[in-house]
Amino acid sequence: SQQGEEDPQALSIQEGENATMNCSYKTSINNLQWYRQNSGRGLVHLILIRSNEREKHSGRLRVTLDTSKKSSSLLITASRAADTASYFCATDGSSGAGSYQLTFGKGTKLSVIP
Amino acid sequence: SQTIHQWPATLVQPVGSPLSLECTVEGTSNPNLYWYRQAAGRGLQLLFYSVGIGQISSEVPQNLSASRPQDRQFILSSKKLLLSDSGFYLCAWSVGLAGGSKFFGPGTRLTVL
Repeated sequence: SQQGEEDPQALSIQEGENATMNCSYKTSINNLQWYRQNSGRGLVHLILIRSNEREKHSGRLRVTLDTSKKSSSLLITASRAADTASYFCATDGSSGAGSYQLTFGKGTKLSVIP
Repeated sequence: SQTIHQWPATLVQPVGSPLSLECTVEGTSNPNLYWYRQAAGRGLQLLFYSVGIGQISSEVPQNLSASRPQDRQFILSSKKLLLSDSGFYLCAWSVGLAGGSKFFGPGTRLTVL
């Protein structure tokens, strides 16, 4: 079953606005990652946040992680038309035995209108 | 720098025909390699992963198989395609931590008619 679930499923904003996407998961994790996928293309890794971190920044991206609520958010500030893409969260479960499986959510489709 | 190639980019195949999708990685040695499938409106589903030549692990039972004949080559195959095999197939690689960052190829869009 899906581990990460993004919310909202789709988001449309004006260029220059901030975009916030949320991800919830069900089991304990080692880390949580965010990926971006342009239409018909492969995924691009954006940022990884470990379970002992609460916030991480990378350029215009800000990721938060709340392990008590089993949730994460991705904030894109001062959005640009080029940010239009689908955004996925992926979790690496802390199974202890070592898992090669990142579990991906269904994604949030972000549209930034120029 | 590392790059990952997949081909073909798109493929239309009839039901019952064989399949061979190829993925190669450059600029790294002994990568972990992965095949994912992304159905329309769905998240990614891990199909196979490999930690070394000839070592394949399957995550879900299905009509597909994978092989790793060389360190940086990963092949996804089927003897007889089903309609349900249609989707977007993504190859990825990683090093180090099993749950660490993965780097994806451009994908192959497979349509089975």
